[in-house]
Amino acid sequence: DGGITQSPKYLFRKEGQNVTLSCEQNLNHDAMYWYRQDPGQGLRLIYYSQIVNDFQKGDIAEGYSVSREKKESFPLTVTSAQKNPTAFYLCAGGKGNTGELFFGEGSRLTVL
Amino acid sequence: AQSVTQPDIHITVSEGASLELRCNYSYGATPYLFWYVQSPGQGLQLLLKYFSGDTLVQGIKGFEAEFKRSQSSFNLRKPSVHWSDAAEYFCAVVKRYSGAGSYQLTFGKGTKLSVIP
Repeated sequence: DGGITQSPKYLFRKEGQNVTLSCEQNLNHDAMYWYRQDPGQGLRLIYYSQIVNDFQKGDIAEGYSVSREKKESFPLTVTSAQKNPTAFYLCAGGKGNTGELFFGEGSRLTVL
Repeated sequence: AQSVTQPDIHITVSEGASLELRCNYSYGATPYLFWYVQSPGQGLQLLLKYFSGDTLVQGIKGFEAEFKRSQSSFNLRKPSVHWSDAAEYFCAVVKRYSGAGSYQLTFGKGTKLSVIP
């Protein structure tokens, strides 16, 4: 099956710990994105990457970091500097000149 | 700056009734517009998209949307709602083209649809 695969689906961590969310794709998408979703807030862009070894901050990048060492993978690290990390995180890929995004099933992070 | 407004936070309809979800956008040029649907705890799935041409766009699951430039709207419609349509619906507009096929989207805050059997 092709698509965007996120793991884990649920993650619990203690305050002060860094956590890394995995995002893998086999759709040959050049661009990949991380969004954060909070109830009633829609989706907000954290980071995006257009090509390997390059990425840019989105609207709410503080407290997050990413890497893009290979085209298929775009992991997101939620650092201890993120003040309110409990949220639903969505990874997406995009290709071509349309802006259409393909989403993974999300990872729900709860910080205790 | 580009923005998207979904005026209705929550809508409840009876099964079999018609549905219209509103979306208004703010954008200087001809926008690229999308409607996505999200079931609880899941990712988003594309319902339909508008880039240019015919202003009435057909999507999956029997949905359609009409682009009205004069009203800056892109409302989603379905003639007869099924219980399985209960979900959250997001309107989105392309905010910025960052080169190399990379677009940033601005999403509305969503409209949650409940369906009464």
